[in-house]
Amino acid sequence: AQSVTQLDSHVSVSEGTPVLLRCNYSSSYSPSLFWYVQHPNKGLQLLLKYTSAATLVKGINGFEAEFKKSETSFHLTKPSAHMSDAAEYFCVVSDPTPLVFGKGTRLSVIA
Amino acid sequence: ETGVTQSPTHLIKTRGQQVTLRCSSQSGHNTVSWYQQALGQGPQFIFQYYREEENGRGNFPPRFSGLQFPNYSSELNVNALELDDSALYLCASSLVGKGETQYFGPGTRLLVL
Repeated sequence: AQSVTQLDSHVSVSEGTPVLLRCNYSSSYSPSLFWYVQHPNKGLQLLLKYTSAATLVKGINGFEAEFKKSETSFHLTKPSAHMSDAAEYFCVVSDPTPLVFGKGTRLSVIA
Repeated sequence: ETGVTQSPTHLIKTRGQQVTLRCSSQSGHNTVSWYQQALGQGPQFIFQYYREEENGRGNFPPRFSGLQFPNYSSELNVNALELDDSALYLCASSLVGKGETQYFGPGTRLLVL
């Protein structure tokens, strides 16, 4: 069965510093992997998606993620955090359906 | 292109009542999935509808049921509401055969008292 583990429930960074949100997955197949972001009292917005093409995936708002099959990881990064990045981030696996979500990582950005 | 919309935005019900939540899928999408997001948790898959039939179901009891209409809009019905049903209910639409990327609506927040 597929599953996702987000290794940090809360990450706090200063504005302008790099962001790293960690995600490990378990899947018996060749999965699709996603990162979604959820701002307070909002729905989920797709940041980026991996579907067995390039292992480095670029998303919106400067985010990117690298698929590492040997480590079963799909960590999300951004070179420089902005105040507007403060939100809840979910790593998601699809094998192929349904979507299975991690428990989320809350990102705080300090001015 | 119209995104996914849901109604109502908020709802308060009492234990034992029934509720119907509605979702309009994104233009051109033929599949609708429903998720329950309890406070502080990630969304949990309830079920998916494709061509007006249930096409997969998560670990939810039969009192959670749904419909999909010919225009691909959908309803989620919950009977005999329990306090633990209080959550954000999210609808997502997608197009079968296009990598299954799901696009989410803003959700309906249900409070059961």
